[in-house]
Amino acid sequence: QKEVEQNSGPLSVPEGAIASLNCTYSDRGSQSFFWYRQYSGKSPELIMSIYSNGDKEDGRFTAQLNKASQYVSLLIRDSQPSDSATYLCAATSNTGNQFYFGTGTSLTVIP
Amino acid sequence: IAGITQAPTSQILAAGRRMTLRCTQDMRHNAMYWYRQDLGLGLRLIHYSNTAGTTGKGEVPDGYSVSRANTDDFPLTLASAVPSQTSVYFCASSETLGRGTFFGQGTRLTVV
Repeated sequence: QKEVEQNSGPLSVPEGAIASLNCTYSDRGSQSFFWYRQYSGKSPELIMSIYSNGDKEDGRFTAQLNKASQYVSLLIRDSQPSDSATYLCAATSNTGNQFYFGTGTSLTVIP
Repeated sequence: IAGITQAPTSQILAAGRRMTLRCTQDMRHNAMYWYRQDLGLGLRLIHYSNTAGTTGKGEVPDGYSVSRANTDDFPLTLASAVPSQTSVYFCASSETLGRGTFFGQGTRLTVV
């Protein structure tokens, strides 16, 4: 079992819809969680960090963390074709010195 | 433009050869990391450094070594390359260990 699990997709949503990306993690001691966007052939780009239970909003992006359920999600509102990419979820170990990435969810926003 | 620079961008290497992937950051970040990304396996941490002079092992350290002589540079060395080390390698940095990381553009390495 991987430390961080994501549904690989592909996930397709129409333009303007809400895209919902989900992630679970196995280390109950993990303290920090991140979402990255990666376009094909490019490097990952940090889009959200979340460290405490609840929601964190940044523009069209909302990250949600539920430590009791060991669950992290990313909502993208008003999805745009430019949001089409692979989204990577990551969590640190309880010591903070290890990063574990999921294998990513491929999102396609259909115009 | 501030960021992370990796070199080379791509390389074909004969098995058994020694290779050093270079990484330089100008953001004065304390922590630096090396990852490899493989299809179906995602990003996996090879080595990390909390601060200049210290390094640690990640999830897949075997066959790789790193050094951190100063804040800006974090080279990754393959002492004797094997085909299973064919991958895309990303260097990354963060202000401190365990915070959100910023990635370099990657090095595509093929070992034949």
